[in-house]
Amino acid sequence: AQSVSQHNHHVILSEAASLELGCNYSYGGTVNLFWYVQYPGQHLQLLLKYFSGDPLVKGIKGFEAEFIKSKFSFNLRKPSVQWSDTAEYFCAVNAAQNFVFGPGTRLSVLP
Amino acid sequence: EAGVAQSPRYKIIEKRQSVAFWCNPISGHATLYWYQQILGQGPKLLIQFQNNGVVDDSQLPKDRFSAERLKGVDSTLKIQPAKLEDSAVYLCASSPFGQGAYEQYFGPGTRLTVT
Repeated sequence: AQSVSQHNHHVILSEAASLELGCNYSYGGTVNLFWYVQYPGQHLQLLLKYFSGDPLVKGIKGFEAEFIKSKFSFNLRKPSVQWSDTAEYFCAVNAAQNFVFGPGTRLSVLP
Repeated sequence: EAGVAQSPRYKIIEKRQSVAFWCNPISGHATLYWYQQILGQGPKLLIQFQNNGVVDDSQLPKDRFSAERLKGVDSTLKIQPAKLEDSAVYLCASSPFGQGAYEQYFGPGTRLTVT
């Protein structure tokens, strides 16, 4: 069965710091990859997605992610975080219509 | 465009009682998902419907959980009888058929506490 791991449980950054959240998955076939975000008190919403083509994808609010097939990774990045980026971030993988979420990384941005 | 609606938002029950959750997906979305999210974990897929047929229910504890999607629109998820370990947020999501079929839109969830 496929699985998704996220490198950090909780990340604390100061405003303007750069962010990279790691995500690795275990599945050897074709995958669709997603990052979802859950802001405090709100429901899950899509940040960005990768289906095919350019492995560097851009999402909302200045986020981007890079798919590295050889490393089974889909890391999320942002060059300069803001206090409003404080949230829980989930990596998710869809393979063979099987949707699996990672355990999530909590990001706290200090003003 | 209206989002995915869920009710109730919160529910507290005692163990061995039964409970039901309701979900109304985005209009026109063919695929509907139910997830269980235990505190500190990512969402775990319980069941996936395509229209009113089940695509995947491999992680649904069928001895106590049941779900249906009559007429391919609304869906209900039921737990009977509930156990303490069922305390979680139950999320409903939907996605359109065709292009972008795999992008899911989530509802606000139902927080269940079993005492």
